[in-house]
Amino acid sequence: KAGVTQTPRYLIKTRGQQVTLSCSPISGHRSVSWYQQTPGQGLQFLFEYFSETQRNKGNFPGRFSGRQFSNSRSEMNVSTLELGDSALYLCASSVPGLAGRDTQYFGPGTRLTVL
Amino acid sequence: DQQVKQNSPSLSVQEGRISILNCDYTNSMFDYFLWYKKYPAEGPTFLISISSIKDKNEDGRFTVFLNKSAKHLSLHIVPSQPGDSAVYFCAAKLGVGNQFYFGTGTSLTVIP
Repeated sequence: KAGVTQTPRYLIKTRGQQVTLSCSPISGHRSVSWYQQTPGQGLQFLFEYFSETQRNKGNFPGRFSGRQFSNSRSEMNVSTLELGDSALYLCASSVPGLAGRDTQYFGPGTRLTVL
Repeated sequence: DQQVKQNSPSLSVQEGRISILNCDYTNSMFDYFLWYKKYPAEGPTFLISISSIKDKNEDGRFTVFLNKSAKHLSLHIVPSQPGDSAVYFCAAKLGVGNQFYFGTGTSLTVIP
């Protein structure tokens, strides 16, 4: 089975621009979550989509948004980029486990650099 | 506000010895805890998990201990191998769905 794929792997943008990142989950996985990883902050939860609906949302400004398509693929959009948005963006998909104990499988991430 | 903390950014252990990685959390409502391992240029890989109704879970060389009263989680790796060298993240889950809170990671180096 193919793993979680993320495109692009690397991206360089300038302040004020917007960016769209893509995530293709493992086949059969309906939940897709997004995380931001920065040095010293670990992984910060952005949001989770399940069956095309946002199920959970982290504490990020409205410039960060996402969506999920009927085939479970997900996109994340960041508008009006700031220098502090430079980070590794990770996507994770999961299949429902026993009693809601989902195991998340992560993609390799998209490294975004904002200049 | 960091609800899950890993206070040791790095740890070095001799091959064959025990590695103990620690994690503290502040939210008593967390009901599921996990450990992930991450190699450079790769996403985190699930290692082991534990429900809040248990205090220990074993999987081969990996054991996770949960002390709810102390709000403390630890991962024991016995015996440690050079291939275990990676960054380890602990994570905690809250409520319905997959909203996980991650620690900042501990970089483990196993010296041959």
